Amino acid sequence: DTAVSQTPKYLVTQMGNDKSIKCEQNLGHDTMYWYKQDSKKFLKIMFSYNNKELIINETVPNRFSPKSPDKAHLNLHINSLELGDSAVYFCASSQDAGSYNEQFFGPGTRLTVL
Amino acid sequence: QKEVEQDPGPLSVPEGAIVSLNCTYSNSAFQYFMWYRQYSRKGPELLMYTYSSGNKEDGRFTAQVDKSSKYISLFIRDSQPSDSATYLCAIYGGSQGNLIFGKGTKLSVKP
Repeated sequence: DTAVSQTPKYLVTQMGNDKSIKCEQNLGHDTMYWYKQDSKKFLKIMFSYNNKELIINETVPNRFSPKSPDKAHLNLHINSLELGDSAVYFCASSQDAGSYNEQFFGPGTRLTVL
Repeated sequence: QKEVEQDPGPLSVPEGAIVSLNCTYSNSAFQYFMWYRQYSRKGPELLMYTYSSGNKEDGRFTAQVDKSSKYISLFIRDSQPSDSATYLCAIYGGSQGNLIFGKGTKLSVKP
């Protein structure tokens, strides 16, 4: 049973294209996150949703737009892809956001922009 | 000053060695401290977490927090090749629930 799943696992695309990454969790958690891990392995929060409501929106270009159709899903849409968007994107979930709860990470989506 | 600083290594040790991984942080208000392990091409997984100061032990792993010096450590005893991974320290940053990660230390345990 996969707790947090992401699709696709690999994504290779040309500059200027628009792409989406999907995330699903079957843990019954209220809060979901998107993180970006760059080539130097630095992992940084991008967005967080609690009960389908955006609660964290770090300094991320507005080409990135998260969408949460329901509590179990958080998708990431990226417009006009740039070379610098190449990274591994991780989805995560936790019970809620009000206090510390363990965050469970998905396997990551490796995005390569050519 | 970055909120969490971690030496990226890489660190290479022989099997059976004691490994010490460290991070420093800047905000004395932080209360929850985590260590995540990330194998190559996988997502991070929580190894241990500690609340406030003190030690926490789980098998061969010991997490230590010294709030007076804003220093967190992970010790691995009798290291094994299967411990080869990147270890990320993380701090729970506030009411919005985000984790603040260090840059990770890549550990290689040679048989």
